[in-house]
Amino acid sequence: DVKVTQSSRYLVKRTGEKVFLECVQDMDHENMFWYRQDPGLGLRLIYFSYDVKMKEKGDIPEGYSVSREKKERFSLILESTSTNQTSMYLCASSSSGFSYNEQFFGPGTRLTVL
Amino acid sequence: DAKTTQPPSMDCAEGRAANLPCNHSTISGNEYVYWYRQIHSQGPQYIIHGLKNNETNEMASLIITEDRKSSTLILPHATLRDTAVYYCIVSSHTGTASKLTFGTGTRLQVTL
Repeated sequence: DVKVTQSSRYLVKRTGEKVFLECVQDMDHENMFWYRQDPGLGLRLIYFSYDVKMKEKGDIPEGYSVSREKKERFSLILESTSTNQTSMYLCASSSSGFSYNEQFFGPGTRLTVL
Repeated sequence: DAKTTQPPSMDCAEGRAANLPCNHSTISGNEYVYWYRQIHSQGPQYIIHGLKNNETNEMASLIITEDRKSSTLILPHATLRDTAVYYCIVSSHTGTASKLTFGTGTRLQVTL
């Protein structure tokens, strides 16, 4: 079974703090994704990566950066947190390929910024 | 990316078929229809996908209209564990990674 794990289930931070959210997958997937989920807005794509050291902006990249130094690991970085970054953060991975792309999701990290 | 429209909520009695509709009238020829669901407090889970033909797997069936402007996800015998938010998504492809744009989905409540 594909397993996608995230470093924390719950996190509480103060405004201005730096936050690293880490995601690890064990299926040798090329693609990895970071989403945030907010009530009434669904899931929104922040960044994704289709290879080591490669990254592309999603729909809402402002205020975030990412790092992919190893194939299995994709980190989301919030350099200076703000209260509007309080959200559920979900990581996903998938294999490459044009016609079929099932994404496997982690359990999520609920971040609260005070 | 083609957008999708789904009803915000639906109810279904346990043991009956749940039919979840989705409109995607602007879908282009090479875009696939994917269905995911999200059970409370968990990450989304893939259910099924299709391009033109109807598809069936152990979880569900996907019926896509001939003009591909709409589709229906069918859970043949809904159980309480199928209570979840169901997302209908049309895929776009960029490079080697397919982006999935999630909307707000349909909240399915399965009742006794």
